[in-house]
Amino acid sequence: EIVLTQSPGTLSLSPGERATLSCRASQIVTRDSLAWYQQKPGQAPRLLIYGASSRATGIPDRFSGSGSGTDFTLTINRLEPEDFAVYYCQQYGSSAMFAFGQGTKLEIK
Amino acid sequence: QVQLVESGGGVVQPGRSLRLSCAASEFTFSTYAIHWVRQAPGKGLEWVAVISYDGDKQYYADSVKGRFTSSRDNSKNTLYLQLNNLRAEDTAVYYCAKSMRGNYWDAFDIWGQGTMVTVSS
Repeated sequence: EIVLTQSPGTLSLSPGERATLSCRASQIVTRDSLAWYQQKPGQAPRLLIYGASSRATGIPDRFSGSGSGTDFTLTINRLEPEDFAVYYCQQYGSSAMFAFGQGTKLEIK
Repeated sequence: QVQLVESGGGVVQPGRSLRLSCAASEFTFSTYAIHWVRQAPGKGLEWVAVISYDGDKQYYADSVKGRFTSSRDNSKNTLYLQLNNLRAEDTAVYYCAKSMRGNYWDAFDIWGQGTMVTVSS
């Protein structure tokens, strides 16, 4: 079973800054089957990135994903007020397990 | 628009059962695997189960295996999750989520709004 560890737990930044969120897997994530989701309070998660680096439909290009193997990164350029939320990574590659990371809270500084 | 709507949540005593439903609209429901994901109050996301597009295969998280059963009725565009022998630790918002391109092994591109299950005596 793959365990995903996200860091930092909380990230405090100001609008206009760049956010860099990390997701590390305990085993290699096959076929870069890694997704990122955004969740705001009281809402369902929203898919941002799939395949480690492909943006989902309607996601602004200030969101980008990178990485492979066991280390993945979500970068958000020029933070907008609506970007402050909790972000989860998830692997969906194999073994019928779809583990999520524990989440990174992006808060306004 | 493409939508999933959960229902059936509520307050239930430990050891009792509950059935959740997830109604789909505006996509070809019968060609997509659908997942269940839950979120305990103030906690992160936990994958619970997936069912294949035709209902023939299901996989479950270890925490619910043997107690929860997923099924679907493609003629009604509806997914079900039967929750048996409920425990306090099953208290959570339960979401259904659509597999992006149909296969299990894919990201979840459409989520319902969730339904709350509270297990308490």
